[in-house]
Amino acid sequence: GAVVSQHPSRVICKSGTSVKIECRSLDFQATTMFWYRQFPKQSLMLMATSNEGSKATYEQGVEKDKFLINHASLTLSTLTVTSAHPEDSSFYICSARDTNPTGELFFGEGSRLTVL
Amino acid sequence: SQELEQSPQSLIVQEGKNLTINCTSSKTLYGLYWYKQKYGEGLIFLMMLQKGGEEKSHEKITAKLDEKKQQSSLHITASQPSHAGIYLCGADGTGTASKLTFGTGTRLQVTL
Repeated sequence: GAVVSQHPSRVICKSGTSVKIECRSLDFQATTMFWYRQFPKQSLMLMATSNEGSKATYEQGVEKDKFLINHASLTLSTLTVTSAHPEDSSFYICSARDTNPTGELFFGEGSRLTVL
Repeated sequence: SQELEQSPQSLIVQEGKNLTINCTSSKTLYGLYWYKQKYGEGLIFLMMLQKGGEEKSHEKITAKLDEKKQQSSLHITASQPSHAGIYLCGADGTGTASKLTFGTGTRLQVTL
């Protein structure tokens, strides 16, 4: 089946630095990808919708300048956490929809960010 | 905005027992997705339901969507340790089968 891959799976960075997380659809093209954030023992919260060739759409309360999203190609979306702070530490997961009739949504393995 | 509530929040069952997890939406669902997640890992797709009254099964897991399309249940028969994890329901509230609103999650433990 379709696979979505995220990289890196784990990243530790110093406060004030920027971190980039990649989300790739490995065997299908995705004009739209989605970025979620998950706090410990909580559910997933949608952060933004990444649109290939255009600006991302952010959910209410998500800082656009803090979480930069770029959807450079039909198989790659990146999330950059800029000037990271400890409160940005979280589990970030992306998803992409296969264009087949079932409309199944596939999720990446997630990326755990720890900001020291 | 659409809200999803799952119950119970956590569940401990003995191996071999059956269990049910419920997911209730504040609005009519265009589609309801069930996923399983092990802590700190990605989501594993289980099933998707779209039609009122629809029921799907995969191995020992059965999911149903009620006629009004506002409530879904996930039933596991003869639970095994491999079923342990966090079960999440996700709602497609726009009919685009794209971004989902997730429920609060149900943490399942299966004891020997």
